[in-house]
Amino acid sequence: GAVVSQHPSWVICKSGTSVKIECRSLDFQATTMFWYRQFPKQSLMLMATSNEGSKATYEQGVEKDKFLINHASLTLSTLTVTSAHPEDSSFYICSAGTGTSDGGAQFFGPGTRLTVL
Amino acid sequence: AQSVTQPDIHITVSEGASLELRCNYSYGATPYLFWYVQSPGQGLQLLLKYFSGDTLVQGIKGFEAEFKRSQSSFNLRKPSVHWSDAAEYFCAGGDTDKLIFGTGTRLQVFP
Repeated sequence: GAVVSQHPSWVICKSGTSVKIECRSLDFQATTMFWYRQFPKQSLMLMATSNEGSKATYEQGVEKDKFLINHASLTLSTLTVTSAHPEDSSFYICSAGTGTSDGGAQFFGPGTRLTVL
Repeated sequence: AQSVTQPDIHITVSEGASLELRCNYSYGATPYLFWYVQSPGQGLQLLLKYFSGDTLVQGIKGFEAEFKRSQSSFNLRKPSVHWSDAAEYFCAGGDTDKLIFGTGTRLQVFP
């Protein structure tokens, strides 16, 4: 149980284009979904937290207009990188949480590697 | 400020040897604590978690961790390491839904 999928697993795009990444909880309903960014050989940096039906909460320093998050249902959240530039190249990981009743555990997707040319 | 610290960036062990990965936390109250493992190019897999009760927590793949409030630690242990355990290990803490991750420890296993 507690499986989270991400699509696509990797994507290459040209500078200036937009890229959408999907995150789905396959066998449970997620009260909250999270988006992280991970640079090579570094830890995860939380970008934003989203709850179904409400606006995402972005961490300090994360551009809301560049990283658009939509949380359409309890099983789907999307991250759109708008007008992507080479510095946006990174490994993006989503996670889904079942809430504090389960000790706040998050279940992670396999990640999406974005390369912007 | 809340923080999670993993003092060891890189650890190398021989296959079959015991393992201990260190994790220290700094929180106002006891946070929820987690250990995750990440294989190259993949997402994170939850190994185990602690949020109350027995301070010795059993996880998957033969891992265990012990919560020690007096030392603000939550170290991960395994009695006998397998070559497939080579990966990046992250300790994380949270007091609501948000997790704070340590910087990770890369485990290398020699045959």
